[in-house]
Amino acid sequence: AQSVAQPEDQVNVAEGNPLTVKCTYSVSGNPYLFWYVQYPNRGLQFLLKYITGDNLVKGSYGFEAEFNKSQTSFHLKKPSALVSDSALYFCAVRDGPVSGGYNKLIFGAGTRLAVHP
Amino acid sequence: EAGVAQSPRYKIIEKRQSVAFWCNPISGHATLYWYQQILGQGPKLLIQFQNNGVVDDSQLPKDRFSAERLKGVDSTLKIQPAKLEDSAVYLCASSLRTSGKGTDTQYFGPGTRLTVL
Repeated sequence: AQSVAQPEDQVNVAEGNPLTVKCTYSVSGNPYLFWYVQYPNRGLQFLLKYITGDNLVKGSYGFEAEFNKSQTSFHLKKPSALVSDSALYFCAVRDGPVSGGYNKLIFGAGTRLAVHP
Repeated sequence: EAGVAQSPRYKIIEKRQSVAFWCNPISGHATLYWYQQILGQGPKLLIQFQNNGVVDDSQLPKDRFSAERLKGVDSTLKIQPAKLEDSAVYLCASSLRTSGKGTDTQYFGPGTRLTVL
């Protein structure tokens, strides 16, 4: 079955420093991977996705993610963190059609990012 | 472009009562999803529609949950009767289509926070 894991419940970083939010995946077939961000009392906002091609994917708000097939990882990164980046981040993998799903997303448990001034 | 609309934003009910949530997807999006997000967890798919047909309801507790998407646009999710463990945020998402390559991005609404007392 398709799955993703986010090993850190929370990541703390100082404003201006680089940030990394980790995600590892387990899939049958080619992985289709996504990152979403959730601010308090709001829905999920799409950041970026990896389908195929370059291993470094650029997304919204200066975020990027690095796909590493050998390590089965898809870590989210940003060169310089902002206080306004503080939020809940979710990694997700698409389920199907190889695994029998119909494009539903399977989410990790989320990582809370706290950026301190 | 207007995003996914959901109402109500908040709902408090007592156990054994019924409740309904409404979703209006992005115009032109054929696929609509309902996810349940329990506090501290990632969203989990409840049901997925392609136009007005159900393509995946494998994780929908059908003894108490029901959903419909008449005319292939708006959708309603109902819980009857509600249990304490149904307390969660119910997220609606839509995507342009369910393609074989799964490249379509899902866009989420703000969610409905349900509290069952």
